[in-house]
Amino acid sequence: IAGITQAPTSQILAAGRRMTLRCTQDMRHNAMYWYRQDLGLGLRLIHYSNTAGTTGKGEVPDGYSVSRANTDDFPLTLASAVPSQTSVYFCASSESGGANEQFFGPGTRLTVL
Amino acid sequence: GQNIDQPTEMTATEGAIVQINCTYQTSGFNGLFWYQQHAGEAPTFLSYNVLDGLEEKGRFSSFLSRSKGYSYLLLKELQMKDSASYLCAVMDSNYQLIWGAGTKLIIKP
Repeated sequence: IAGITQAPTSQILAAGRRMTLRCTQDMRHNAMYWYRQDLGLGLRLIHYSNTAGTTGKGEVPDGYSVSRANTDDFPLTLASAVPSQTSVYFCASSESGGANEQFFGPGTRLTVL
Repeated sequence: GQNIDQPTEMTATEGAIVQINCTYQTSGFNGLFWYQQHAGEAPTFLSYNVLDGLEEKGRFSSFLSRSKGYSYLLLKELQMKDSASYLCAVMDSNYQLIWGAGTKLIIKP
């Protein structure tokens, strides 16, 4: 069982380019999340989905979009990347959107130049 | 505003005990989580407290006082592999996790 996978592992991107970070889980979890982690700051929630077909905005949603077409996949898209989006991005999932343990993917290190 | 405070860095000796504190101010409270994160890796779950008191799990224990907005993680019999960052996170009234910046724990032989 893989748990949660993310792709790519790392990426260098020119400013203005479009980029999709992929996230797939095989635990049949209902809820999924996207966080960014920056040095000196806590993890910050970008977007979440409590169940397939629904999404919601987190603390820092601007410049990002998500979709949840099925239970397993939760891609994050940067429509036009900017240098301030340089960060490590973690996808996570939990059984439901309540007070449950969240399981994290290995992360994607994104650099926007 | 919502705020989670924890020390930036702590140093301890192998075999010793260390306590990592976390104070919080959030809109609502649906439990407090501790996660461990080794450098370059994903966070992994350690503990969850929603009621006041101490929860013990092997060498790790977590304490919560809701009235004081305070928690601590206690690590006993420290091992070199415990060198990592420890993240405190509170689930707010919207069931979203608010994260502290993490405490980097350095273990010395």
